[in-house]
Amino acid sequence: KAGVTQTPRYLIKTRGQQVTLSCSPISGHRSVSWYQQTPGQGLQFLFEYFSETQRNKGNFPGRFSGRQFSNSRSEMNVSTLELGDSALYLCASSLEQDRYGYTFGSGTRLTVV
Amino acid sequence: AQSVTQLDSQVPVFEEAPVELRCNYSSSVSVYLFWYVQYPNQGLQLLLKYLSGSTLVKGINGFEAEFNKSQTSFHLRKPSVHISDTAEYFCAVTPVSGYSTLTFGKGTMLLVSP
Repeated sequence: KAGVTQTPRYLIKTRGQQVTLSCSPISGHRSVSWYQQTPGQGLQFLFEYFSETQRNKGNFPGRFSGRQFSNSRSEMNVSTLELGDSALYLCASSLEQDRYGYTFGSGTRLTVV
Repeated sequence: AQSVTQLDSQVPVFEEAPVELRCNYSSSVSVYLFWYVQYPNQGLQLLLKYLSGSTLVKGINGFEAEFNKSQTSFHLRKPSVHISDTAEYFCAVTPVSGYSTLTFGKGTMLLVSP
């Protein structure tokens, strides 16, 4: 079966712009989580969505937002980009009855210049 | 809150040698534990997880880990490594109750040379 698909794979944006990243979970997976990976801070939790509702949120500024659609696809948006937002953004999906069986996508590499 | 410490940022080892990657955690509540591997330009792949039962957990690619509650450790081992095991390895925890958010360690880069 198809895995978790993240688009685009690579993105270059200018400081001050906004960006939207997309994540399509494995078919049947209704929980989607987002993580930011940077060399300095490592892997940090951004937010989790389940059935179109944000279930949990990490410690990130309000510039970071997300949503989930009825087909479980999720998007995250970062507004007013800063250089420090350059990172690999990873999406993970899971079945509700196997909440610890995360499958990660390959990520979107965002570079802010 | 939970925290995870991976004691080595880099572990160099020769092919066919054994390896141990160390992981310690801190938590005021009971946790589940995980090891993930990340190959260059890829996402995270689950190697193994401890939810309950035997404290010795076997995973994919010949890896195993042992949960030691008294020492709050979850070290990853492989008796004989291959060049293809070169990758970054992450230890993670999540609370048993509540949200299943993962808290990761900083990672250990395993470098296997011939």
